[in-house]
Amino acid sequence: NAGVTQTPKFQVLKTGQSMTLQCAQDMNHNSMYWYRQDPGMGLRLIYYSASEGTTDKGEVPNGYNVSRLNKREFSLRLESAAPSQTSVYFCASSYLQPNTEAFFGQGTRLTVV
Amino acid sequence: DAKTTQPPSMDCAEGRAANLPCNHSTISGNEYVYWYRQIHSQGPQYIIHGLKNNETNEMASLIITEDRKSSTLILPHATLRDTAVYYCIVRVSISGTYKYIFGTGTRLKVLA
Repeated sequence: NAGVTQTPKFQVLKTGQSMTLQCAQDMNHNSMYWYRQDPGMGLRLIYYSASEGTTDKGEVPNGYNVSRLNKREFSLRLESAAPSQTSVYFCASSYLQPNTEAFFGQGTRLTVV
Repeated sequence: DAKTTQPPSMDCAEGRAANLPCNHSTISGNEYVYWYRQIHSQGPQYIIHGLKNNETNEMASLIITEDRKSSTLILPHATLRDTAVYYCIVRVSISGTYKYIFGTGTRLKVLA
């Protein structure tokens, strides 16, 4: 089982460049999430999608946009990358039922120079 | 707005039980407590979760106090591969789904 797959695994961008981080899950989950993790810190929620067709801002949405392409895929776009966006990005997915857990991808390590 | 407090680091001897505490004094009645761990900046790995009863699975046990203001994750026989950052998380309801609020976690080091 693939679970949650993120691409790419590593990326270096120049300030001002744009890119899209891809995330796909094969567990038929309703909800999907994007988090970022800075050194020595826990994960912070950027955007989430409760179900197909909906997206909402999390704690740190500035500088990002998202698209819930279909039930499986949830992408994160940086329109004009900044050094402050250097981080590790994690995608996650879960069912809507209360007594279930979220599954995380292996992360995308992004460096903006 | 992390809702949990954990010690920043702990050591445990290999083969002994590791007991990781967590305070979540502001937890609401329908909010679950989750534990995840992260090894070498890999994606967080689910361990266990609970609402008010104690829970056990093949990885660990979760003990939740009766007032639900704190909990303890127990790894019964810690191995070197259990060295990781352990996150105690309160999952809150938001706009039709749930949000997992991460704190800074406990860095557990298992010693040979």
